[in-house]
Amino acid sequence: GIQVEQSPPDLILQEGANSTLRCNFSDSVNNLQWFHQNPWGQLINLFYIPSGTKQNGRLSATTVATERYSLLYISSSQTTDSGVYFCAVSQMRNAGNMLTFGGGTRLMVKP
Amino acid sequence: EAQVTQNPRYLITVTGKKLTVTCSQNMNHEYMSWYRQDPGLGLRQIYYSMNVEVTDKGDVPEGYKVSRKEKRNFPLILESPSPNQTSLYFCASSLFLNTEAFFGQGTRLTVV
Repeated sequence: GIQVEQSPPDLILQEGANSTLRCNFSDSVNNLQWFHQNPWGQLINLFYIPSGTKQNGRLSATTVATERYSLLYISSSQTTDSGVYFCAVSQMRNAGNMLTFGGGTRLMVKP
Repeated sequence: EAQVTQNPRYLITVTGKKLTVTCSQNMNHEYMSWYRQDPGLGLRQIYYSMNVEVTDKGDVPEGYKVSRKEKRNFPLILESPSPNQTSLYFCASSLFLNTEAFFGQGTRLTVV
């Protein structure tokens, strides 16, 4: 099946710093999503981005489908950005599997 | 508000006592799925449903049952829970396969 790798696995930032999280996938995909899992365990949708670039406030994401990667940018980080960020993908030909998740990037933002 | 609702949020139970975790979505989505999340293993799909009365196994279906009698509901049933089913469970839905997926708040299950 498709492999999804995220880097870095862990990241510690000072409040106000910027960061880039990367997601590599091993095959073509029809869907790519970024999620934030907050300290209470909830999975929050950040972006649905199978291709192109999107922005939402301090967050933006870019997916280059032809090169099989996606990037999540966090600018002016805040302590509330702490948690785990997941990239997840799906393929049309993999009927049934809604999403395959990467291993996540654990982010800690220090005040 | 468009959402996926799971209940309960937290549950502690004993080995062998049947339990059901409910999942309901109000977005008229065709596709629903259950995942479990475990440290070091990530999120893994348990069962999925492409429409009413259509369900199929995911990657880790052993010990679980599901049903899809109505479009909005997709309960997860543990007939005889065991400690290795202690996990964080998520229900998800999407309009169709490969469209944006939305997750419930999660159910933290402990089996002792």
